[in-house]
Amino acid sequence: AQSVSQHNHHVILSEAASLELGCNYSYGGTVNLFWYVQYPGQHLQLLLKYFSGDPLVKGIKGFEAEFIKSKFSFNLRKPSVQWSDTAEYFCAVNAYGGSQGNLIFGKGTKLSVKP
Amino acid sequence: EPEVTQTPSHQVTQMGQEVILRCVPISNHLYFYWYRQILGQKVEFLVSFYNNEISEKSEIFDDQFSVERPDGSNFTLKIRSTKLEDSAMYFCASSEQAGARGEQFFGPGTRLTVL
Repeated sequence: AQSVSQHNHHVILSEAASLELGCNYSYGGTVNLFWYVQYPGQHLQLLLKYFSGDPLVKGIKGFEAEFIKSKFSFNLRKPSVQWSDTAEYFCAVNAYGGSQGNLIFGKGTKLSVKP
Repeated sequence: EPEVTQTPSHQVTQMGQEVILRCVPISNHLYFYWYRQILGQKVEFLVSFYNNEISEKSEIFDDQFSVERPDGSNFTLKIRSTKLEDSAMYFCASSEQAGARGEQFFGPGTRLTVL
């Protein structure tokens, strides 16, 4: 069965610090990968996605993620965080061709950015 | 920008009661999903729906659960006889395309509390 692991439960950073949130998945076949963000009191929003091609994916608000197939990883990065990045971040995977599209989510990482 | 909406935002019910959670997907989307998140746990897939029938469902989606598209705009999740362990945040999502390449747009969620 597919699963997604996010190793950091809560990350606390100061503004301008660099961010890297880990995500690993278990599935041997082709996958599509997603990062969603949930700002306080808001709904899940797509930050970025990887389907194929360049493994370095750029998303909204300066976020990027790198797909490393050999490590089954899709880590999220941002060079310089802002207070407004305080949110919960969810990594998700979908097994390409194997389903109607249901997403398998990680447990989420809460990011707190101190001003 | 079109959004998925959900009502109510918070539902409190007694164990054994029936609840109906409502969602209005984005108007030109054809694929609909329900997910849930128990406090402190992962977002879990429940069911996907297309063309007035269930496309896929998880083990969680047992006989106590049902989904319906009663009219052209609403998409509902019914829990017939709620249990304490049904307490969770329930998210509706919709997508324009099916399968792994259909970006899913999420609603704000309904927090269900079963007493």
